[in-house]
Amino acid sequence: AQKITQTQPGMFVQEKEAVTLDCTYDTSDQSYGLFWYKQPSSGEMIFLIYQGSYDEQNATEGRYSLNFQKARKSANLVISASQLGDSAMYFCAMREGPGGNQFYFGTGTSLTVIP
Amino acid sequence: DAGVIQSPRHEVTEMGQEVTLRCKPISGHDYLFWYRQTMMRGLELLIYFNNNVPIDDSGMPEDRFSAKMPNASFSTLKIQPSEPRDSAVYFCASSLGRKNYEQYFGPGTRLTVT
Repeated sequence: AQKITQTQPGMFVQEKEAVTLDCTYDTSDQSYGLFWYKQPSSGEMIFLIYQGSYDEQNATEGRYSLNFQKARKSANLVISASQLGDSAMYFCAMREGPGGNQFYFGTGTSLTVIP
Repeated sequence: DAGVIQSPRHEVTEMGQEVTLRCKPISGHDYLFWYRQTMMRGLELLIYFNNNVPIDDSGMPEDRFSAKMPNASFSTLKIQPSEPRDSAVYFCASSLGRKNYEQYFGPGTRLTVT
């Protein structure tokens, strides 16, 4: 089974609207972490946000929030007030294992913000 | 800090040749990761080091690939012999301590094997 599943290969959102990028994960560990990266067309990878499995509140970083639903094993990224610069590929990832030493990445979702 | 430095930025080589990719992590970071990105397979973690020691190399595709980290400020990823299917963008990333998920990526090396 895939460790990280991103089912939306491409998404569109109107500028200033909110958008949710889906991510589900598979693990039997009690301690793990979920995180997201952004990759603009220029190619660099940019860390966005992290959620630990024991964190009770959803992580937020500016306009980014991680909608963590443990029972459903989902870790969706919510981007509020979309901007043109948000157009990029977004990767969901997980770390698990002893000391958080195993990493897995999803296949990515391409987000296009429409003016 | 200059960030993670990778060289070369672009490499074009012929099948069968040896290729060496280089990475200088951010000073003070104790984790170093090597990734490969292609359209077909997406982003793949190849290997990573903690304090210069390889921790997980399960993503290394086959024996043609090898990685070393002789000291805290330098790592290499070598492909010998190279094949056309190795064509990809290879990223190096570094991170620090318990926040090893917060990785700082280099600009990548675009490898083309003809």
